[in-house]
Amino acid sequence: GAVVSQHPSRVICKSGTSVKIECRSLDFQATTMFWYRQFPKKSLMLMATSNEGSKATYEQGVEKDKFLINHASLTLSTLTVTSAHPEDSSFYICSARVDRGLGEKLFFGSGTQLSVL
Amino acid sequence: GQNIDQPTEMTATEGAIVQINCTYQTSGFNGLFWYQQHAGEAPTFLSYNVLDGLEEKGRFSSFLSRSKGYSYLLLKELQMKDSASYLCAVRDQEGYQKVTFGTGTKLQVIP
Repeated sequence: GAVVSQHPSRVICKSGTSVKIECRSLDFQATTMFWYRQFPKKSLMLMATSNEGSKATYEQGVEKDKFLINHASLTLSTLTVTSAHPEDSSFYICSARVDRGLGEKLFFGSGTQLSVL
Repeated sequence: GQNIDQPTEMTATEGAIVQINCTYQTSGFNGLFWYQQHAGEAPTFLSYNVLDGLEEKGRFSSFLSRSKGYSYLLLKELQMKDSASYLCAVRDQEGYQKVTFGTGTKLQVIP
């Protein structure tokens, strides 16, 4: 199966700082990756679709300047939470879609628990 | 727009059978997924349906009716480790075929 690695798994930061989360596809190329946010006891909310070599597509209500997404290669997408505030504390998960063969599935990273003090 | 509905919580007894329903109204349809998510962990894939009918995989089965916008996940011979949230998700045909998740159903299996 395909493996998606997400790092870090947990981060605690001060209010006003920026945090970068990495999502890597380890054994396949992913032209499309997705970033989700999950609040406690809630389902996954799609934040944006990350496309290799082009700008990300953000969902309504998600601030582009707040959540910077970069998909510079076929195996790496990053999400940067800029000027983080306590309300940004959440569980962030990335997923990747394989272009062929296993296209019926999304492969998820292990998630990043962000706590902003 | 996308609207996916699932019951919020369910309780079932160990060894029994439970059915988790999901209804959806989406602007496009290109497959429905079921995922299992234990607290604090990432979701894991359970099943995928794109055609009408029942897909069976061990203790888990998933059913789809596209005309009714309806799916269910059937769990047989429940085990305590099946206590988790079960997420229904629909892939649409717009843009980059994004997947939208339902609110999830928290299943508690009791002895």
